[in-house]
Amino acid sequence: SQQGEEDPQALSIQEGENATMNCSYKTSINNLQWYRQNSGRGLVHLILIRSNEREKHSGRLRVTLDTSKKSSSLLITASRAADTASYFCAGSNTGKLIFGQGTTLQVKP
Amino acid sequence: DSGVTQTPKHLITATGQRVTLRCSPRSGDLSVYWYQQSLDQGLQFLIQYYNGEERAKGNILERFSAQQFPDLHSELNLSSLELGDSALYFCASSGGEGTTNEKLFFGSGTQLSVL
Repeated sequence: SQQGEEDPQALSIQEGENATMNCSYKTSINNLQWYRQNSGRGLVHLILIRSNEREKHSGRLRVTLDTSKKSSSLLITASRAADTASYFCAGSNTGKLIFGQGTTLQVKP
Repeated sequence: DSGVTQTPKHLITATGQRVTLRCSPRSGDLSVYWYQQSLDQGLQFLIQYYNGEERAKGNILERFSAQQFPDLHSELNLSSLELGDSALYFCASSGGEGTTNEKLFFGSGTQLSVL
């Protein structure tokens, strides 16, 4: 079963635009994490937001968390062609990190 | 490079066979996680080991088993393979037990093809 569900499933934007991906999860979490996966390769951790945090920044990434709505969003500002990848949210609870289905982002040069 | 090593990178086998996937975690990491990624099921958590002991279990089939050895490397054994077991299998590691706010470091995966 999936913990998170990302929306949209696919996103195509022009270089320089902002990309926003949303994630909803089902159960209570200790933290929510976002990972990136380039085609067929291993996932790379991007950012972690704890359940008592509402917003977090890391470079061009901004993550928000609304525990009352069980939702999170990932904003990538000033996107680059190199940002083309799949992005996954993952909820952490009792040692399990459960991933959503992911959003496939295409950034056109 | 995440520091997590998975072998082999590719594996092609036949239905009914048994295979072993191997994972070496990052130096110093005590937890190892196994995930299965397929187009229809997405990224599914299979199992976690911490310092040699099973810590959390997910959607792991009875035909699958795993263990973590004293040197902390882990093996995932898949038996009586079916076509539907074809997937990308990832290993990940983290420093602690996984109950705190830890991030995972993923290997590059083993692509299993069952023919």
